[in-house]
Amino acid sequence: NAGVTQTPKFRILKIGQSMTLQCTQDMNHNYMYWYRQDPGMGLKLIYYSVGAGITDKGEVPNGYNVSRSTTEDFPLRLELAAPSQTSVYFCASSHAGGGIYEQYFGPGTRLTVT
Amino acid sequence: AQSVTQPDIHITVSEGASLELRCNYSYGATPYLFWYVQSPGQGLQLLLKYFSGDTLVQGIKGFEAEFKRSQSSFNLRKPSVHWSDAAEYFCAVGANNTDKLIFGTGTRLQVFP
Repeated sequence: NAGVTQTPKFRILKIGQSMTLQCTQDMNHNYMYWYRQDPGMGLKLIYYSVGAGITDKGEVPNGYNVSRSTTEDFPLRLELAAPSQTSVYFCASSHAGGGIYEQYFGPGTRLTVT
Repeated sequence: AQSVTQPDIHITVSEGASLELRCNYSYGATPYLFWYVQSPGQGLQLLLKYFSGDTLVQGIKGFEAEFKRSQSSFNLRKPSVHWSDAAEYFCAVGANNTDKLIFGTGTRLQVFP
């Protein structure tokens, strides 16, 4: 199994551009998550989903959008990129409630906005 | 408010030395506690988790952690560190009434030969 895959691995955006970070999991997990990781700040939850068609905001949702049309895919959309969105983005999935079940992480996308 | 504190930002140890990484949490409900490891350029991987029962839990790669409710702590230990253990370690807390984990800010471990 591939687990959780993310594309692209690296991306440089200009201020004001938009892009979509792709995330796919092949474990048939219901729960999926998007985090951003900044140096010394740990992981901050951006959005999460408890199943296809259901999404909810995390701790730092501003500037991002998500959709969940299938169990497998959970893309993260950045509209009007800003330098504050320079970060490493991780997608994760879990079988059930991420508060008690292991979350499986993708390898990350390193995004720079200049 | 729920929170997780990892007081040590950076720890350096010699290969073969013992290791203890500290984690303190504040959580109103019964906590579910996790330790994750992140190797350079990689995503996070689960080392171990505590839900209930024996307060000393064993994980992968020779790591163990001890839950101490009275101290609100869940410290990670390893008796003899290997160079390959150099990584960043994250403590996280969850509960059965939430879909989310709260992560600490991480401890970066450096291992000298």
